Amino acid sequence: ELKVEQNPLFLSMQEGKNYTIYCNYSTTSDRLYWYRQDPGKSLESLFVLLSNGAVKQEGRLMASLDTKARLSTLHITAAVHDLSATYFCAVDPDYTSGTYKYIFGTGTRLKVLA
Amino acid sequence: GAVVSQHPSWVICKSGTSVKIECRSLDFQATTMFWYRQFPKQSLMLMATSNEGSKATYEQGVEKDKFLINHASLTLSTLTVTSAHPEDSSFYICSARRLAGGKNIQYFGAGTRLSVL
Repeated sequence: ELKVEQNPLFLSMQEGKNYTIYCNYSTTSDRLYWYRQDPGKSLESLFVLLSNGAVKQEGRLMASLDTKARLSTLHITAAVHDLSATYFCAVDPDYTSGTYKYIFGTGTRLKVLA
Repeated sequence: GAVVSQHPSWVICKSGTSVKIECRSLDFQATTMFWYRQFPKQSLMLMATSNEGSKATYEQGVEKDKFLINHASLTLSTLTVTSAHPEDSSFYICSARRLAGGKNIQYFGAGTRLSVL
């Protein structure tokens, strides 16, 4: 069974601090996506990582992908309150077979304290 | 950017009634759409893959007769929750798949919050 696990599940951090969210998955995949979800809202796409070693940065967030380790990280630099949300990673393990299903991680609820 | 419209955003219904949710890709054609269900403070669970012009593919444990999916055109998929009961109350999110430049990207609708009384 394919599993996508995020660590930590909950994160409370002070403004200005740095932290990393981890996404581990149990099958081969070289495609991984990060999303943000605000309470009561749908998903907002943050990053699309399409190959081993891919690194993308947007503002205070940076995502990377290590397909050999089956690990992606989402690094937060100098957190601000506006980053408070739930973050999901999603793996796309079957795109070559044509099923195109995403498998979502467990989610990380981030709260940035002023 | 690609836009996916989902309607309604919020619906309240009585137990035993049926509710239809629409998912439209506004600026691209989507041969494949997906329906997810999300319980409070939990992750998204894929319910089914909606294929234009053919039957939907349901995930294990999802009742086909309970959650009817129709993908009648390249821009529209509908999810009908039949004979809804309080346990069907949830947040339902659709996505439309766009394949461009070798990238398989899903674009998500705004979600529908269903409350069954």
